Amino acid sequence: GAGVSQTPSNKVTEKGKYVELRCDPISGHTALYWYRQSLGQGPEFLIYFQGTGAADDSGLPNDRFFAVRPEGSVSTLKIQRTERGDSAVYLCASSTPGTSGYNEQFFGPGTRLTVL
Amino acid sequence: AQTVTQSQPEMSVQEAETVTLSCTYDTSESDYYLFWYKQPPSRQMILVIRQEAYKQQNATENRFSVNFQKAAKSFSLKISDSQLGDAAMYFCAYRSYVTTSGTYKYIFGTGTRLKVLA
Repeated sequence: GAGVSQTPSNKVTEKGKYVELRCDPISGHTALYWYRQSLGQGPEFLIYFQGTGAADDSGLPNDRFFAVRPEGSVSTLKIQRTERGDSAVYLCASSTPGTSGYNEQFFGPGTRLTVL
Repeated sequence: AQTVTQSQPEMSVQEAETVTLSCTYDTSESDYYLFWYKQPPSRQMILVIRQEAYKQQNATENRFSVNFQKAAKSFSLKISDSQLGDAAMYFCAYRSYVTTSGTYKYIFGTGTRLKVLA
């Protein structure tokens, strides 16, 4: 597709369960970001990938959160032992890389995670 | 650390009128980008306009323009001739380049909900 896609669109799970959220970036975009957006808040940075490697994972809240991007395209955000406080919209964005100038971030529609 | 503040949780504007959304930020950097994003109920963030800090000229994109005051660390968005389709959440965002990791860091404000009245 032409844009960033995220699946599932909505995910309801029970406290303590494991979930995986998928992001499919725009083809050719090597930079990929994950954000978490809680109700009434702006997106909060979680992790940034440049290619296959996590260049900055300083936003991951704790070790229950983990993300991978094994082939440098699709990324999966994994949350273990989910808690009710993990309920939020998880947004993914991709862009072309670059250390100068401007590279627009393109966002996906997000996955709304609800932990009961 | 950089912070972004949007002090207006909600704003209303009559269709065809003009509205200004406020944003202030705090940083010690001299080179950065600022953005306004629109988030409709579909949740997909859409870039509205961007401003490079080293450019004094205010950015404009059709009905959208900014008032960038670098010294005051203020970055407001003006929407002219408001349309029903402009109704959405608007987020102000700051981007800096992190030299130690070679990455860009985006920091978002808490958003302003814009209602457009017919």
